[in-house]
Amino acid sequence: AQTVTQSQPEMSVQEAETVTLSCTYDTSENNYYLFWYKQPPSRQMILVIRQEAYKQQNATENRFSVNFQKAAKSFSLKISDSQLGDTAMYFCAFMLGAGSYQLTFGKGTKLSVIP
Amino acid sequence: DAGVIQSPRHEVTEMGQEVTLRCKPISGHNSLFWYRQTMMRGLELLIYFNNNVPIDDSGMPEDRFSAKMPNASFSTLKIQPSEPRDSAVYFCASNDRLHGYTFGSGTRLTVV
Repeated sequence: AQTVTQSQPEMSVQEAETVTLSCTYDTSENNYYLFWYKQPPSRQMILVIRQEAYKQQNATENRFSVNFQKAAKSFSLKISDSQLGDTAMYFCAFMLGAGSYQLTFGKGTKLSVIP
Repeated sequence: DAGVIQSPRHEVTEMGQEVTLRCKPISGHNSLFWYRQTMMRGLELLIYFNNNVPIDDSGMPEDRFSAKMPNASFSTLKIQPSEPRDSAVYFCASNDRLHGYTFGSGTRLTVV
């Protein structure tokens, strides 16, 4: 079974600064996907960024980028130029590349952006 | 497309009552998932359907929980009888290979 670990329950960052959220995972599979989801107080689950394990290049979406270290099974999220609207819970998630497409989530990191 | 639609958004019920949560997935998505979110256990998969067929219900906590998908555009999650420990946010999500996952807005269930 796959597991996802987020070791930082809470973090804070000053507006306009950069913050990195950590995620590690455990799997014996080689074909999989990794995701970061954002859950603001509205509780909507919003996809932030996605990484295919077979791609060596780190995914980037505007101010959001990942550092994917496959050998270390690490998948951290970097948020640049933090904005107040980035305040939310962030969940790291894993999905196998074939089969059920179910997501396995970490416990989440609560990020607060301070004005 | 209006996305994945869940109803109700909030539900408060008394212990012992039957609760039914509803979900309309995105048209054309082949898979539908029910997740439960609690502070203690985070987000857990309860059950998923592929082409309306239940594939894996190993996450359903006990026999009080049941889920159906009578057609491609509708699914229900039923709890009978409900208990206070069932209080949580229940998410429905649908998925296809091309577009990936889309979550509904969730139903916050409170059992008193």
